[in-house]
Amino acid sequence: DAGVIQSPRHEVTEMGQEVTLRCKPISGHDYLFWYRQTMMRGLELLIYFNNNVPIDDSGMPEDRFSAKMPNASFSTLKIQPSEPRDSAVYFCASGRGGSYGYTFGSGTRLTVV
Amino acid sequence: GENVEQHPSTLSVQEGDSAVIKCTYSDSASNYFPWYKQELGKRPQLIIDIRSNVGEKKDQRIAVTLNKTAKHFSLHITETQPEDSAVYFCALSGSARQLTFGSGTQLTVLP
Repeated sequence: DAGVIQSPRHEVTEMGQEVTLRCKPISGHDYLFWYRQTMMRGLELLIYFNNNVPIDDSGMPEDRFSAKMPNASFSTLKIQPSEPRDSAVYFCASGRGGSYGYTFGSGTRLTVV
Repeated sequence: GENVEQHPSTLSVQEGDSAVIKCTYSDSASNYFPWYKQELGKRPQLIIDIRSNVGEKKDQRIAVTLNKTAKHFSLHITETQPEDSAVYFCALSGSARQLTFGSGTQLTVLP
């Protein structure tokens, strides 16, 4: 099992550009979560999916953020347009219904200049 | 929504001593309480968890205790080692499956 796979590991982009972060959950896991981590705000839940369906997106900061899960093995988090305050580490995590232990990916460190 | 407060924010202990980190919550519907360890530049990793029907759980040098009446739970690390140095996060969830995280504790084990 390769674990939760995120790409890219690092992303540096200019303000105003579109950024797409990718996540492949662990096979068989039916829950997928997107978290953002900053020094100021800690670990914040942005959105989560169950069986590819978005369940709670109340943590998405604003309309510039969108997330999709077209199938059980892939999810994207898109920021358009990006702003310097979006700079953070974005983690994807997955879990299995009936079990509460969630596994995190290695994260994407996003820097918007 | 669910809220969790974590203390202390930083903790330094001598190698071999014990470390205790405490979290308090307000939602009595919370029923799952995991602890994650995050080393610098790495992902958070689950180290131990407890459900609301259990008061204590132990795994080698780490243990978690839960007091549902007082709405707090704690992480205990005994015989600390330098490799225990990391940021530790408590978390919880209730009827909804998402985890709400505490603000983290930077633990430093001094050799």
